[in-house]
Amino acid sequence: AQSVTQPDIHITVSEGASLELRCNYSYGATPYLFWYVQSPGQGLQLLLKYFSGDTLVQGIKGFEAEFKRSQSSFNLRKPSVHWSDAAEYFCAVGLFSGGYNKLIFGAGTRLAVHP
Amino acid sequence: DAGVTQSPTHLIKTRGQQVTLRCSPKSGHDTVSWYQQALGQGPQFIFQYYEEEERQRGNFPDRFSGHQFPNYSSELNVNALLLGDSALYLCASSLEGRGSGIQYFGAGTRLSVL
Repeated sequence: AQSVTQPDIHITVSEGASLELRCNYSYGATPYLFWYVQSPGQGLQLLLKYFSGDTLVQGIKGFEAEFKRSQSSFNLRKPSVHWSDAAEYFCAVGLFSGGYNKLIFGAGTRLAVHP
Repeated sequence: DAGVTQSPTHLIKTRGQQVTLRCSPKSGHDTVSWYQQALGQGPQFIFQYYEEEERQRGNFPDRFSGHQFPNYSSELNVNALLLGDSALYLCASSLEGRGSGIQYFGAGTRLSVL
């Protein structure tokens, strides 16, 4: 069965430090992969996506992610974290069949940023 | 360009009651999906509507039902509410067709069942 694992429940970094959030997936075919961010009281905002092609994808707010098929991973990175990046981050696999699409999410990683 | 809008923002119900949540998709989108996000968890897929029909359903009981209207807006209905139905309910819209798999989410409806 398809699944997404985010091994880190909570991560705390200092402002200005680099960040890497881990995501591993289980899926039989080439996956469609997403990272979303959720601020308190907000819905999910798409940070970036991977469908095919270049395995290093750029997103909004200075985030990037790298797809590694051999490791079934899609880790999210940012070189320098800002206090406003404090939020919950969700990795998701998109399942597409006959035109419909649904997302399977990981449990999320909550990011805290120290000044 | 209006994004995905959901109403109401918050809702408090008691066990056994019924509830209806509403969603208007992003302009130009024709597909609506509903997700349940329990506290401390990632969203879980409930079902998806396209052309006014349910075409995919997650592992949720029949107490959860939905509807899509000709203007693509959608409703989620939950009957015989249980305490465990307390969650944030998220609506996402997308455009049908391969390569259009990006789902845009609303801010959600927070349902509390007492």
